This record gives sequence, C-alpha cells and structure tokens, in this order.
Amino acid sequence: DVKVTQSSRYLVKRTGEKVFLECVQDMDHENMFWYRQDPGLGLRLIYFSYDVKMKEKGDIPEGYSVSREKKERFSLILESASTNQTSMYLCALEGANYGYTFGSGTRLTVV
Amino acid sequence: GENVEQHPSTLSVQEGDSAVIKCTYSDSASNYFPWYKQELGKRPQLIIDIRSNVGEKKDQRIAVTLNKTAKHFSLHITETQPEDSAVYFCAAHFGNEKLTFGTGTRLTIIP
Repeated sequence: DVKVTQSSRYLVKRTGEKVFLECVQDMDHENMFWYRQDPGLGLRLIYFSYDVKMKEKGDIPEGYSVSREKKERFSLILESASTNQTSMYLCALEGANYGYTFGSGTRLTVV
Repeated sequence: GENVEQHPSTLSVQEGDSAVIKCTYSDSASNYFPWYKQELGKRPQLIIDIRSNVGEKKDQRIAVTLNKTAKHFSLHITETQPEDSAVYFCAAHFGNEKLTFGTGTRLTIIP
C-alpha cells in the first residue's frame, strides 16, 4: 500500500510564526499536492510539484510557499502564520493511474 | 479555469434507501473522474472511479455513471447503511495533470 505521512496531526502556532508542514511518500512518484480543507469550501489546492525543485501555484497560494528538495518529501511553509490560515491541511500523492492517496492531515490552529 | 460543481451539499436518507450525488465539470477534455469518501476525522479515500471511455461502473453497492455529452457524473449508493455516513467528494482530472475537486456532500444515513 502507498504511504503518505504527514508529520503532525495537530499543531498550534502563534500569529507571525513561520510554520513548516511536512509530507513524505514511500513511493517514487513525481506528483505531490498540498490542499487545505475548510467547511463548505471543499478541498482547495495551494501548491503542487511535479518533481524535485519544481513547484506550481494552485488556486490559493497567497501566504504559502513550498519546498521539494528530495523526491519523497514535499513541505508546505507558512512564512508568517495568520489566523485565517487555521485549517486542515492535506497532502496528496498522485499514483500511476491519476488516483490520489492522501495523508492523514494536519489540523493547524493559529492563535 | 477548470470547475467542478457538486450537489447537494448535504443529503439525509433513511437507512436502506438509495443516495445520489451529482457533479458537473467544465472541461470536455477531462478523462478521469474519481469519488472520495471522507469519514469524520479521517483522510479522503478513493472509493470508485471512472474513465471517459466508460459510461458506468459498479462496485457492490456503489456505482458511478458518466454522461460525457452533458458533462456530468453521478455517484449512486444503494441499500444505504450507517457506515455510509461521510463526506463525499467528486473530482475531475483535467489535461494539466491535477484533479479539481467538488465542494463535497455530507451524507447522513438515518437509522
């Protein structure tokens, strides 16, 4: 089974802090994605990456950046956390037939 | 840009009845249409998918139908059970190598 691991299930950070969310895959797949999930808004794409050192903006990239130094790891960075970034963050990995495997999610609260 | 609309946003059905969730998409070049189920506190998981060269696919109590002309696809759950209660997301794969998700349907099965 494909494994997508997000390092933290719950995080509480202060406004203005720099926040790193990590996502690690155990396959050799290229395409990885970061989504945020909010009630009534579904899954919104923040950033995605097709390969090492490659990144593309999704639908809501403002306030976020990403890093992909190694194929297996895709990091989401909140440069200066704000309360409107309180959300559930989901990492996803695209498999060979377009299907996604999601991580278990990180619920981030910014206070 | 790409757009996927999903209806209804909430749905309650009596146990044993059928549930239908519908999605429409904007890009006629879309070729892959998965459905994800997200139980409370868990990650979204793929439950069924369909490709553009097929009109219908079944897996036990769930089925998906695709109407390419009308650009819509639907999830059908028959003989619903309490464990079917969850949020369901449709998605469509567009040519630029990423899925676009609907906003989700919260399905509640009433015992």
